[in-house]
Amino acid sequence: DAKTTQPPSMDCAEGRAANLPCNHSTISGNEYVYWYRQIHSQGPQYIIHGLKNNETNEMASLIITEDRKSSTLILPHATLRDTAVYYCIVRVESSGYALNFGKGTSLLVTP
Amino acid sequence: GAVVSQHPSRVICKSGTSVKIECRSLDFQATTMFWYRQFPKKSLMLMATSNEGSKATYEQGVEKDKFLINHASLTLSTLTVTSAHPEDSSFYICSARAMGQGTSNTEAFFGQGTRLTVV
Repeated sequence: DAKTTQPPSMDCAEGRAANLPCNHSTISGNEYVYWYRQIHSQGPQYIIHGLKNNETNEMASLIITEDRKSSTLILPHATLRDTAVYYCIVRVESSGYALNFGKGTSLLVTP
Repeated sequence: GAVVSQHPSRVICKSGTSVKIECRSLDFQATTMFWYRQFPKKSLMLMATSNEGSKATYEQGVEKDKFLINHASLTLSTLTVTSAHPEDSSFYICSARAMGQGTSNTEAFFGQGTRLTVV
């Protein structure tokens, strides 16, 4: 799996959009970008994934640059419950291998 | 979404004893389950991959005789920490992939984790 780079921490005011960046400059053509988050003392939770088109679901939006070397996870209206560590993972879809978690970004949503 | 249930959520045991952690896929069959360990302020580290009906594959540095994994059915995998020591205290998390999961839906489903404290 290609390596990803994320800022270690970010702050966001409640109600504002949280934009979490991820660099994956060595991503290969068949690798998808996945985002998971882990709220303190819980198991990781799937958020969204995409290949090259932007994706949106009820939780977030995923913006992938045209060259696919970076992406941004957007939480449109952050709440206090969005405080968590967010992991950007690049991997081949339908791979039978485990997810390779990096250090992620610790997002703190403040009142 | 699919549900993975892990039990217990929290356990305290004495040094030298063994602890069993269960991971169940509640509404799907899981041919493959993964066991992770997470130390405080650290990321998840894969310990082993468990395939139903066969021996688990352990990551480098993980003692297979200490961390016994059994995946006897398509809905249950267990991790037994044998002769636990204080340094085994950690957050243990399981993950499962559904049987026949192809390109349409490939997110991994995680249990809620088990906080093990060895005293």
